[in-house]
Amino acid sequence: KAGVTQTPRYLIKTRGQQVTLSCSPISGHRSVSWYQQTPGQGLQFLFEYFSETQRNKGNFPGRFSGRQFSNSRSEMNVSTLELGDSALYLCASSSVEGNYGYTFGSGTRLTVV
Amino acid sequence: LAKTTQPISMDSYEGQEVNITCSHNNIATNDYITWYQQFPSQGPRFIIQGYKTKVTNEVASLFIPADRKSSTLSLPRVSLSDTAVYYCLVVPYSGAGSYQLTFGKGTKLSVIP
Repeated sequence: KAGVTQTPRYLIKTRGQQVTLSCSPISGHRSVSWYQQTPGQGLQFLFEYFSETQRNKGNFPGRFSGRQFSNSRSEMNVSTLELGDSALYLCASSSVEGNYGYTFGSGTRLTVV
Repeated sequence: LAKTTQPISMDSYEGQEVNITCSHNNIATNDYITWYQQFPSQGPRFIIQGYKTKVTNEVASLFIPADRKSSTLSLPRVSLSDTAVYYCLVVPYSGAGSYQLTFGKGTKLSVIP
């Protein structure tokens, strides 16, 4: 079956702009989580959505937001981009039943200039 | 969340068995031990998960002693394609509830020809 699909794969934005990233989970998976990965901070949890509701949130400013649609697809938005937002943004989905292994997408590489 | 400690890096020759040990002294009764593998510019990939004793799949084995304060990921006969960062995580069991994956720095495994 198809894996987790993230679009776009690469993105270049200017400081102050906003950006929206998309994630399509594995079919049947209702939990979608987002992570930010940078060389300095490593992998950090942003938030998790389940059945269109945010269930858990990491320690990021309010400029980072997300949502989940009825088909479990998710988007995350970053407003007023800063240079430090340059990172690999990863989406992961899980069935949250039995096996607790998350399946990650290949990520979106965001560069803020 | 239980904190994990693992070596920053390891080197191994092709064809050897590699054992990566992770320490998690504060693991809770309902925590599972999970390992992920990550290649550059890709999302982490779930390798194996266990609660106690030994778990084996087609990729690796996971050894967990009775006190569960540590675990060892064993990769048999590594090849160059196993060069990656390996993360040990302690994941709380919460049924269908929400949880986040807390990644440490991981172990960078370099396989030498």
